[in-house]
This record gives sequence, structure tokens and C-alpha cells, in this order.
Amino acid sequence: GAVVSQHPSRVICKSGTSVKIECRSLDFQATTMFWYRQFPKQSLMLMATSNEGSKATYEQGVEKDKFLINHASLTLSTLTVTSAHPEDSSFYICSARDPINQPQHFGDGTRLSIL
Amino acid sequence: QKEVEQNSGPLSVPEGAIASLNCTYSDRGSQSFFWYRQYSGKSPELIMSIYSNGDKEDGRFTAQLNKASQYVSLLIRDSQPSDSATYLCAVSLTGANNLFFGTGTRLTVIP
Repeated sequence: GAVVSQHPSRVICKSGTSVKIECRSLDFQATTMFWYRQFPKQSLMLMATSNEGSKATYEQGVEKDKFLINHASLTLSTLTVTSAHPEDSSFYICSARDPINQPQHFGDGTRLSIL
Repeated sequence: QKEVEQNSGPLSVPEGAIASLNCTYSDRGSQSFFWYRQYSGKSPELIMSIYSNGDKEDGRFTAQLNKASQYVSLLIRDSQPSDSATYLCAVSLTGANNLFFGTGTRLTVIP
């Protein structure tokens, strides 16, 4: 079945650090990838939609200058949390939409902890 | 405003029983419906998708969709302790990429 790989799985770093998270679709070409954030005991909140070769579409309230998204190829999207602060600590999950089978498949997530 | 509503639970059922999870959605333009399972600390895993009215069965799982009532459900037969997780209902519109998630129902299967 479809597999989406996300790396790293866990990051612990100091406040002010920028953190880059990679999301790869391993066995299908994903023209669209999605980035979600999940706080404890809450549901997934869509942050942005990443479109290959074009600018990402951000959801209301998500700062595009803080959460930089690059989707340079059909199999890779990256999310960079710039100058991270403790309130950015969360579980970040990417997904990729299989254009043939339609459902989104999720990566394993990145648990980000900012000290 | 697109809303997907789920009972947050927790829902507890004994091992071997049927677990019934429900979801309602507000946008009549919704065309695709999904159930994801999420274990604590893990990312969601797709378990069922349904696109037309009626029932869809896959092993111990049955998804039921009623577009007139804007209602989608998931039945888990012969529930196992390993089914204990949070179940997320997700909905997307025709031609849309975005998924809209409910807050999830936490299921506990008691051995």
C-alpha cells in the first residue's frame, strides 16, 4: 500500500532554533501534500496545503513566514518551523494524497519540543 | 463553515462486542468520507473509505453512509483490545483535496 515517510520523528531543541521536517511519498507521486498540527487531546488541524511547483496555501491563522513550506518535487515536501518557541511545541503530521486512490495517507508524525 | 461532529467518548465496550462510532457533517457538498484510527502518540491510519450511500464492509469493519441524514458511522464487530484507539471521521468535498476532521471518539475495548 501507499507509504508516506516523515523525518525526523522527534525533535527537542532550544527556543529560537529553526526546525526542518521532511515528508516523502514513497510509492506514488503526490502533487498535493498536507501539513497538520495536533495538540494533546485535540484533533488534527490543517495548517497548509502544499502544491508541487507552486506556493503553499495556508489556513487562516497560520503564519506563512513562520511555517515555511517547500514542495520542490512530486515526492517531497518540507516544513520549516522558523525561530521556534515553546508554544510551537506540538505533533506535526504530513499527509500525501494518492491521486489514483484519493485517500490521504499520513506520515508517522514529528513530535517537536521547544525548550 | 464545515463541521464534522463526533462524540468524544470515551466509548467502552467488552471484548467481542460490536463498537458503534458515529459522525455527522454539516456540508451537503461532502462526497468522500473516511475513518482513521489513531493510537496514542501515533499518526492516523486509514481504515475505511466510503463514497456512496449504504454499507461498505471490510473484515470486521463496516462503514455506513446516509447522505440524506448527513451521517456516517463505523461498526467494529468482534471488538479486540487492540482496537482501543481514537477513531477520526474525515470528510472532503467534491473535487477538493482538503480533509475536514472530527475531534475523534476514544474507544476502549475491555478484555
